[in-house]
Amino acid sequence: QVTLKESGPALVKPTQTLTLTCTFSGFSLSTSGMRVSWIRQPPGKALEWLARIDWDDDKFYSTSLKTRLTISKDTSKNQVVLTVSNMDPVDTATYYCARLLYQRGGYYFDYWGQGTLVTVSS
Amino acid sequence: QSVLTQPPSASGTPGQRVTISCSGSSSNIGSNTVNWYQQLPGTAPKILIYSNNQRPSGVPDRFSGSKSGTSASLAISGLQSEVEADYYCAAWDDSLNGLVFGGGTKLTVL
Repeated sequence: QVTLKESGPALVKPTQTLTLTCTFSGFSLSTSGMRVSWIRQPPGKALEWLARIDWDDDKFYSTSLKTRLTISKDTSKNQVVLTVSNMDPVDTATYYCARLLYQRGGYYFDYWGQGTLVTVSS
Repeated sequence: QSVLTQPPSASGTPGQRVTISCSGSSSNIGSNTVNWYQQLPGTAPKILIYSNNQRPSGVPDRFSGSKSGTSASLAISGLQSEVEADYYCAAWDDSLNGLVFGGGTKLTVL
């Protein structure tokens, strides 16, 4: 079955770079049509899409955060890595990774990780 | 400010039917399909509806979705306490070349 799990530091200082890893199983990002995204959710607030990486290494980023985000994959390890530079307290959020499926003319997240809470504080 | 607009809250009594709206624009809902996610307290979101009105296997048929023009809606019939959750709509946005979410609607069963 498909599973995804996020890992990374629970606490980062302002201006530092956050590195998060999504380790998944049950599918391969080298298979045509496979895609993985990162989404975050500040405490008590709405979901915000961050980035997407496709099986062919196509990458897409949130327009508002594009200059601070980098997404990459390691197919051999079944991992997707997201880095967020210049972290600020407003970046405090639960960060999720999710598989993005394309079916019946549209994209949707069919499997999500449990999420990892990242707090930005000095 | 979310790109897709949802009412912040909705409510109903047990057994009632409620609908949650999601308003967008020509670059997102108007030209792409809409998905709905349910987020129970303290858990990750779960897909409820994809491609406007399709239910993944395992999702009860009391959840239904529709889309017209640049708006979409989620209907939940036979309200029960276990559907108390936050509901989010989402769609791809061709202008932003990214995925956009609504601000979420908190559903309360009175």
